[in-house]
Amino acid sequence: NAGVTQTPKFRILKIGQSMTLQCTQDMNHNYMYWYRQDPGMGLKLIYYSVGAGITDKGEVPNGYNVSRSTTEDFPLRLELAAPSQTSVYFCASSYRSGIDDNEQFFGPGTRLTVL
Amino acid sequence: KQEVTQIPAALSVPEGENLVLNCSFTDSAIYNLQWFRQDPGKGLTSLLLIQSSQREQTSGRLNASLDKSSGRSTLYIAASQPGDSATYLCAVRPREYSSASKIIFGSGTRLSIRP
Repeated sequence: NAGVTQTPKFRILKIGQSMTLQCTQDMNHNYMYWYRQDPGMGLKLIYYSVGAGITDKGEVPNGYNVSRSTTEDFPLRLELAAPSQTSVYFCASSYRSGIDDNEQFFGPGTRLTVL
Repeated sequence: KQEVTQIPAALSVPEGENLVLNCSFTDSAIYNLQWFRQDPGKGLTSLLLIQSSQREQTSGRLNASLDKSSGRSTLYIAASQPGDSATYLCAVRPREYSSASKIIFGSGTRLSIRP
């Protein structure tokens, strides 16, 4: 299994540009998540999905959009990039059955700079 | 609102020492607590997951404890090695998020093991 993969690894955007961060997992996990990590800080949840076709906002959703058309893929869309979105973005997935929680598996991250 | 704190932000110890990393959280109503390791420029690796009904979990040289009533968790690393150098993050899943696996991260402790 490749686990959770993210592309691209690095990207520089100009203010106002848009882009999509890709995330794919091959573990048949039902839950997927997008986090951002600012320097010296912990991770903050942007959006999450509990299954194909179902998404919901996390702690810091403004400026982002997501979709979940398949179990495997969970892309994150930035429509109008702003300097405040300069961060490292992590995608994660987990399998949850009922109320029982299992560990989250993380991708290697995408380092995004908005100038 | 749940907050997770990790003190100190950085720690340096000589190789071979046993050490303890601390994590505190403000609301004892949690489903579980998870410890992660993050290497520079890399994603997160899950180390241990403690369910709310458990007091501790062990994996190799690592032992994590959970005291919900006091809002504390510790990660004990025995016989530290230079390869243990990394940032260690703890994260809790609050009970307020009953329908999803939202977790709240601390900002991490950057651990350096001196040869």
